[in-house]
Amino acid sequence: EAEVAQSPRYKITEKSQAVAFWCDPISGHATLYWYRQILGQGPELLVQFQDESVVDDSQLPKDRFSAERLKGVDSTLKIQPAELGDSAMYLCASSSFLAGGYEQYFGPGTRLTVT
Amino acid sequence: QKEVEQDPGPLSVPEGAIVSLNCTYSNSAFQYFMWYRQYSRKGPELLMYTYSSGNKEDGRFTAQVDKSSKYISLFIRDSQPSDSATYLCAMRLGGQNFVFGPGTRLSVLP
Repeated sequence: EAEVAQSPRYKITEKSQAVAFWCDPISGHATLYWYRQILGQGPELLVQFQDESVVDDSQLPKDRFSAERLKGVDSTLKIQPAELGDSAMYLCASSSFLAGGYEQYFGPGTRLTVT
Repeated sequence: QKEVEQDPGPLSVPEGAIVSLNCTYSNSAFQYFMWYRQYSRKGPELLMYTYSSGNKEDGRFTAQVDKSSKYISLFIRDSQPSDSATYLCAMRLGGQNFVFGPGTRLSVLP
């Protein structure tokens, strides 16, 4: 069964350092989402891509966060510099427009701890 | 007021019980309604989705949507210890982003 891949699974970094997360969506899925999930809360959208284009990054803290999906396949989310409040689970999800777009498939997430 | 509200729990039930999980929402324009299950330290997995109002059944799971009350429910029959997880409701406008509730932690005790 096809899955969304994410790496690394866990990342510990010091405040003010740069950190990057990688996501490979299910093959053929044009829509890719990055979410942040703080413990005890639901996922909150950071950025949504349709192919290589950003369709919504209104909740992305652009002074420190950046995301790209250069060839419309895999994607990278970067934080520079990391802050203590960035400690959270970073989830990637993908969906297929052809399937109506209502089904999102999530990856296992990257758990970030900023010290 | 948040767009989607859920009782965070934790909810503890004995094995075999019927579980009722609920969400309320404020945006009457939501059209698609989903339930996800999330095990500890894992990504959410889709359990059920419904479009507009009505019921949908899949095995031990039943999803209900009442758009007039802006209320959705997930029922789990014959609950099992393996059902212990956090259950997230999510909603979506046509072509728009998903909005998630904070999740309800469920514990099914053997």
